[in-house]
Amino acid sequence: ETGVTQSPTHLIKTRGQQVTLRCSSQSGHNTVSWYQQALGQGPQFIFQYYREEENGRGNFPPRFSGLQFPNYSSELNVNALELDDSALYLCASSLAERGSTDTQYFGPGTRLTVL
Amino acid sequence: KQEVTQIPAALSVPEGENLVLNCSFTDSAIYNLQWFRQDPGKGLTSLLLIQSSQREQTSGRLNASLDKSSGRSTLYIAASQPGDSATYLCAVSPANNDMRFGAGTRLTVKP
Repeated sequence: ETGVTQSPTHLIKTRGQQVTLRCSSQSGHNTVSWYQQALGQGPQFIFQYYREEENGRGNFPPRFSGLQFPNYSSELNVNALELDDSALYLCASSLAERGSTDTQYFGPGTRLTVL
Repeated sequence: KQEVTQIPAALSVPEGENLVLNCSFTDSAIYNLQWFRQDPGKGLTSLLLIQSSQREQTSGRLNASLDKSSGRSTLYIAASQPGDSATYLCAVSPANNDMRFGAGTRLTVKP
């Protein structure tokens, strides 16, 4: 158990819809990162938040957006869903402060299927 | 652009064997390298984290080494067990705010 939870576990949406995925980090973990993992691939970095501000972004379009809240929860929002957005979405939290690195603790993921 | 490659893509061994998983990366300017385990349909469990200034880390039957200059890391698993069956992923941090993953090695340990 990593102490990081994600909801929902599974989700089915249709193309063009919007989705919000949620993550609850360990208390004190000011850094949260989101990853997309397609079947048979390694996770790809979407973005990271530190103390409620975006702190880095991978090669994903603006329709992928996020929020981090003071209670160590966070959201990943995806607008205008496309078929290729079907994947396992993982969040990871850490004690890392801005400019440092530390072990990342992953949640179990949300499996998103876009039809 | 940092590229991470893991070889082999899949590995099947009998129980009790010692084995080595390989990870290579193209840019040696990294903050750290981390090995993870992923069970089917599940999240990632961190196994070992090696800072850029370190050469190796050990935890139980696991030993990970890092050679930054050659862009390589190995994960050594001693006396493998069926419970070790999973996908093993390595990830490098080229900056302090993201990780780049390999595609993983799918390990099967047969009883």
